[in-house]
Amino acid sequence: DADVTQTPRNRITKTGKRIMLECSQTKGHDRMYWYRQDPGLGLRLIYYSFDVKDINKGEISDGYSVSRQAQAKFSLSLESAIPNQTALYFCATSDSGRASTDTQYFGPGTRLTVL
Amino acid sequence: KQEVTQIPAALSVPEGENLVLNCSFTDSAIYNLQWFRQDPGKGLTSLLLIQSSQREQTSGRLNASLDKSSGRSTLYIAASQPGDSATYLCAVSRNTGKLIFGQGTTLQVKP
Repeated sequence: DADVTQTPRNRITKTGKRIMLECSQTKGHDRMYWYRQDPGLGLRLIYYSFDVKDINKGEISDGYSVSRQAQAKFSLSLESAIPNQTALYFCATSDSGRASTDTQYFGPGTRLTVL
Repeated sequence: KQEVTQIPAALSVPEGENLVLNCSFTDSAIYNLQWFRQDPGKGLTSLLLIQSSQREQTSGRLNASLDKSSGRSTLYIAASQPGDSATYLCAVSRNTGKLIFGQGTTLQVKP
């Protein structure tokens, strides 16, 4: 089984709809991240969480919110989806432990299309 | 503001050739630098991570170097194979764990 899973893998929705993307990990990592990838722009950080009670905005947080329900779960919500939020969304995890190199491990991605 | 640039954007080589992918960054105050591989429609796979105190890391046919003072990293792929065809991304972080990515180099290795 994959260490970092994302659901759904693909989603098509309409402008104005509320959407939730979910991420779960079995790696036991404390840090989790949400990125979006757009052609020609690379990956950009939306939100990150260093533990259940620590959530921070990334580079492009406007229009998004997150919830860290447990150490293993980190959800990304689009309260009112708009077409320019059409992108590939990735969840990632890393371990902040003393022996860790803070390598980030990525999920398979969710392809979101907003019509 | 940290900016990461990867050149070239695309590269096509015949099988067996040794090749170098380049990554440059504007702020040398980094914690580490990671190289990732991304296959079409798939997630990212971490290939190599270089801590700021290190000069290089090796894994199999891959060797990544880091020159912090000049803001450069290279990923060297020896004896390239068609299975190496993918997009290669580099990313740098400060000590907060946040990664800043380059736009990637798309590599095609022709049989």
